[in-house]
Amino acid sequence: AQSVSQHNHHVILSEAASLELGCNYSYGGTVNLFWYVQYPGQHLQLLLKYFSGDPLVKGIKGFEAEFIKSKFSFNLRKPSVQWSDTAEYFCAVYGSSNTGKLIFGQGTTLQVKP
Amino acid sequence: GAVVSQHPSRVICKSGTSVKIECRSLDFQATTMFWYRQFPKQSLMLMATSNEGSKATYEQGVEKDKFLINHASLTLSTLTVTSAHPEDSSFYICSARLAGWYEQYFGPGTRLTVT
Repeated sequence: AQSVSQHNHHVILSEAASLELGCNYSYGGTVNLFWYVQYPGQHLQLLLKYFSGDPLVKGIKGFEAEFIKSKFSFNLRKPSVQWSDTAEYFCAVYGSSNTGKLIFGQGTTLQVKP
Repeated sequence: GAVVSQHPSRVICKSGTSVKIECRSLDFQATTMFWYRQFPKQSLMLMATSNEGSKATYEQGVEKDKFLINHASLTLSTLTVTSAHPEDSSFYICSARLAGWYEQYFGPGTRLTVT
């Protein structure tokens, strides 16, 4: 069965620190990869997505992610976090055999201290 | 564009009653809508996939008779929690997808509390 694993469950950083959140998936075929963010009390928003092409994708609010096919990874990065980045982050995968379903990782809670 | 709304945002009901949650795609036609359940500090758990004009496909372990899903139009899907019990209390989120697209657009969620 396809799965998505996020290694960091709770990350605490100070403002201006660099961020990297891990995401690994298990699926051997063509994948589409997503990172979603859920700010406190708000709905899920798309941060960035990878469908094909350049494996380094840039999203909103200074976030980027790199698709490394050989490692089945799609890690999220930001060079300098802000207090406003405090949120829950979800990695999700759509595989060609998923029949349209997104498979979500467990989520990572990011807490940025001012 | 690509806005999905849910109504109500919060609902409190008594045990044994039924509750209907609406999910609407406001500015696009969604051939497929998804219903998720999210427990505190946990990920989204897909409950069912709803295609317009056909029966919903439920994930394993989700009771179809308890969670009734109707997708009567390209812009509206409803989830009815029948004979609700306190263990049904949760955050229910819907998403919608355009035909032929992978990306899903999420609604703001509905907080259900069953007393």
